[in-house]
Amino acid sequence: AQKVTQAQTEISVVEKEDVTLDCVYETRDTTYYLFWYKQPPSGELVFLIRRNSFDEQNEISGRYSWNFQKSTSSFNFTITASQVVDSAVYFCALSVLGGLTGANNLFFGTGTRLTVIP
Amino acid sequence: EAQVTQNPRYLITVTGKKLTVTCSQNMNHEYMSWYRQDPGLGLRQIYYSMNVEVTDKGDVPEGYKVSRKEKRNFPLILESPSPNQTSLYFCASSLSPGLNSPLHFGNGTRLTVT
Repeated sequence: AQKVTQAQTEISVVEKEDVTLDCVYETRDTTYYLFWYKQPPSGELVFLIRRNSFDEQNEISGRYSWNFQKSTSSFNFTITASQVVDSAVYFCALSVLGGLTGANNLFFGTGTRLTVIP
Repeated sequence: EAQVTQNPRYLITVTGKKLTVTCSQNMNHEYMSWYRQDPGLGLRQIYYSMNVEVTDKGDVPEGYKVSRKEKRNFPLILESPSPNQTSLYFCASSLSPGLNSPLHFGNGTRLTVT
C-alpha cells in the first residue's frame, strides 16, 4: 500500500527564518516519483518539484531545496530565509503505477500549513 | 494561456439533486483526474482518465461518475449528492499518464450539499 505522511500539521516561523517541511513515504514499488505542491490562500495547487526514485541528488532552486533520502524514505523540503509569500499549505505526493490501465496514481499527504509571520 | 478550467467555483445544492462540475483543459493532455480535498485527509483521487473513453476508479469513487467523450473535457457527475460529498474538488491534467508528468490543477470547486 502507498502512503505519504506529513507529520507537521501546522508550522509558524518568523520571516527570514529557515524552515523544513517533513515528508515520509511508504511504497513497495521500486519505481516511483515524489512531488511537492504548494496551495496558497487563494486555493490553487502549484507544482513545485518532482524527483524520481533513482535520483537521490538534492536539488536547490533559489530559496527552496529538497533532500531525498531513500534510506529513510523521506523527501524533505526546506525554505531558506522565509518570506510572507511562502505562507501556504504544502503537500507532498507519491506517484506509482496503479489501476487496470497502468496510469499513474498520485497519493497525497495531508499537508503542512506554513505561516510566515512578518 | 495553458490552463485547467473548472466550473462552477462555488456550488450549494440540496441532497439528491443531480449536479455536474465541468472541467476543461486546453493543453491537449491525455491524462485527467478528479480529486477531493478534505481537512486532515489531504487530496484523494476520485476518478481518472488516461484518454478518451478510458476511465478508471481512484480511491474514493463511490457516489461519483465521470465521462471522457472528448480529450479536453472531463466532467464530474454527482447523480444523487449527499452531505458527505461536501468538499473542495480539484480537476487536474497531465501530458501523459506517466509517473513523471506533473499534474496541472484547476482552481477548485467548493461544493456544499445540505
